Amino acid sequence: GESVGLHLPTLSVQEGDNSIINCAYSNSASDYFIWYKQESGKGPQFIIDIRSNMDKRQGQRVTVLLNKTVKHLSLQIAATQPGDSAVYFCAEKRTSGSRLTFGEGTQLTVNP
Amino acid sequence: GAVVSQHPSRVICKSGTSVKIECRSLDFQATTMFWYRQFPKQSLMLMATSNEGSKATYEQGVEKDKFLINHASLTLSTLTVTSAHPEDSSFYICSARVPLTDSYNEQFFGPGTRLTVL
Repeated sequence: GESVGLHLPTLSVQEGDNSIINCAYSNSASDYFIWYKQESGKGPQFIIDIRSNMDKRQGQRVTVLLNKTVKHLSLQIAATQPGDSAVYFCAEKRTSGSRLTFGEGTQLTVNP
Repeated sequence: GAVVSQHPSRVICKSGTSVKIECRSLDFQATTMFWYRQFPKQSLMLMATSNEGSKATYEQGVEKDKFLINHASLTLSTLTVTSAHPEDSSFYICSARVPLTDSYNEQFFGPGTRLTVL
């Protein structure tokens, strides 16, 4: 089956704290994963990606962890800032195709 | 980076009318574009894959006669919502695939179009 968003989990953190956003994916054949940030009324914005032959990848203030055994993906944001407030989606795809399947999303709210 | 635009950003229409949404790739040619629909507090759901010069491929449950897709050029795909009804009110987002890229991050998203049907 495919990941389908039916509700929107929320995460509220204090400014300066680290945030961890989780995502469970369903297709064991997926071998490429992306995290997107979506601000209100805007399209998704690429944050970071990871291939299935890796279990960790770091960017600027962000880290993605992949656990293929339990089909789990996480996004860690260091020193979270008010500008990080948005909905975060994970997406998966197979390298043999272009189709992206989006996870349910998490609403991150950063309190000053 | 690759830029994708959508027009209009917001549209309000009366029930029964048709609405056309444009998706353009501004600095690259896209043989493939994708149309997504997003309801409030929900995820993006792929509606159809638009291929330049050929018929679009629709996802299961999406009515091709209601959501007409035309990809007549390498930089433009249009989605027409025909005989719109209030339940069609949603946020419609397109993405364009950058061809011949070494990166697996090959889809770039437009800013979305908010459709409200009265």
